[in-house]
Amino acid sequence: SQQGEEDPQALSIQEGENATMNCSYKTSINNLQWYRQNSGRGLVHLILIRSNEREKHSGRLRVTLDTSKKSSSLLITASRAADTASYFCATDHTGRRALTFGSGTRLQVQP
Amino acid sequence: NAGVTQTPKFQVLKTGQSMTLQCAQDMNHNSMYWYRQDPGMGLRLIYYSASEGTTDKGEVPNGYNVSRLNKREFSLRLESAAPSQTSVYFCASSEADRETQYFGPGTRLLVL
Repeated sequence: SQQGEEDPQALSIQEGENATMNCSYKTSINNLQWYRQNSGRGLVHLILIRSNEREKHSGRLRVTLDTSKKSSSLLITASRAADTASYFCATDHTGRRALTFGSGTRLQVQP
Repeated sequence: NAGVTQTPKFQVLKTGQSMTLQCAQDMNHNSMYWYRQDPGMGLRLIYYSASEGTTDKGEVPNGYNVSRLNKREFSLRLESAAPSQTSVYFCASSEADRETQYFGPGTRLLVL
């Protein structure tokens, strides 16, 4: 399967700490996206990084992409209780017309 | 703008019954998608439509049919529901293939 795999599956941290989650994939990509899903809701797009980019920032989010290792990481700095959600990576693979979503990392931020 | 809307929000079916899940978007997007999400799992693509008038199978199309009625609307039909189709169904749209997707709130389906 070309599906991205997030690591860890679950993460629990204290408010104010940084949260890092990783995504690995198997075949070459055109871009990689990160989405957030609050419990019982639809997914919300966070950030897109293209295969020729190595790092992108958006507010408290920092995404890195290492195409040689076929992996990406999402860093949330100074986490807040409101960041509690599941985070999914989605990969755009050459030759496929739709994104492939991973199984997600469940982040719990304790106040 | 409402974004992506889905109806119904929740549905209970008996095995063998049929139903249609409705999805509409008001962002003038070309591409639309149907996913299912089972507990603790990611999204699996059922069908997608890259543009008005075209539909393609995704990862798990068996037991489903779709209609891209016009640019705004993309419906998902279960002809004969099975308990294995109990899931949360999400519709999404994007301006073009593989670009940022915008998701609806989901439809929770329980098949008894």
